Amino acid sequence: QVQLVESGGGVVQPGRSLRLSCAASGFTFSSYGMHWVRQAPGKGLEWVAVVSYDKNNKYYADSVKGRFTISRDNSKNTLYLQMNNLRTEDTAVYYCAKDKYSDSGVGLFDYWGQGTLVTVSS
Amino acid sequence: DIQMTQSPSSLSASVGDRVTITCRASQSISSYLNWCQQRPGKAPKLLIFAASSLQSGVPSRFSGSGSGTDFTLTISSLQPEDFATYYCQQTYSTPPTFGQGTTVEIK
Repeated sequence: QVQLVESGGGVVQPGRSLRLSCAASGFTFSSYGMHWVRQAPGKGLEWVAVVSYDKNNKYYADSVKGRFTISRDNSKNTLYLQMNNLRTEDTAVYYCAKDKYSDSGVGLFDYWGQGTLVTVSS
Repeated sequence: DIQMTQSPSSLSASVGDRVTITCRASQSISSYLNWCQQRPGKAPKLLIFAASSLQSGVPSRFSGSGSGTDFTLTISSLQPEDFATYYCQQTYSTPPTFGQGTTVEIK
């Protein structure tokens, strides 16, 4: 069965960096667009970034553009999110999510990971 | 970006009730509208995609309708496990955007 397992969250000071990982299994990882979606405490869902199945296309929310970088290693079935220059408003649970259709990156999420909490605080 | 607005923000209902949640897009999104459910402390779960298609494994008491700018999620007979927050989401254009959520609470 499909599994997405995030890791790398923690407490970090403003301005510092953090790298999140998402280990995928149970499907052909290299065929699907993959996303990061976040949820601030007590708030709604916010899409963060997407990387296409072949790594050729990446898109970001305006709120993270220039600070976050999404990447993937199809040989390791792993998705990453490099977060630089973190701000207090980046505090959230970060979920990785899989696109429902192969070769797609539209953001129709049929599977989500359990999430990893990132807290940005001095 | 396309804005998604849900109503109500919260509602109280009893087991067995019929529940309806609405979602409005700031521009036409055809049928590129999805619904997901999030139980407390859990990841979201896809319920409905393409406005009215039921995701595999989702009970048939959930249904969706609408097109253009106005959409509806209906739970025909509320069950105890349905008390959760529901989000609509558009995938008509990037970035995909979510409504603010509707929390269904026990009356």
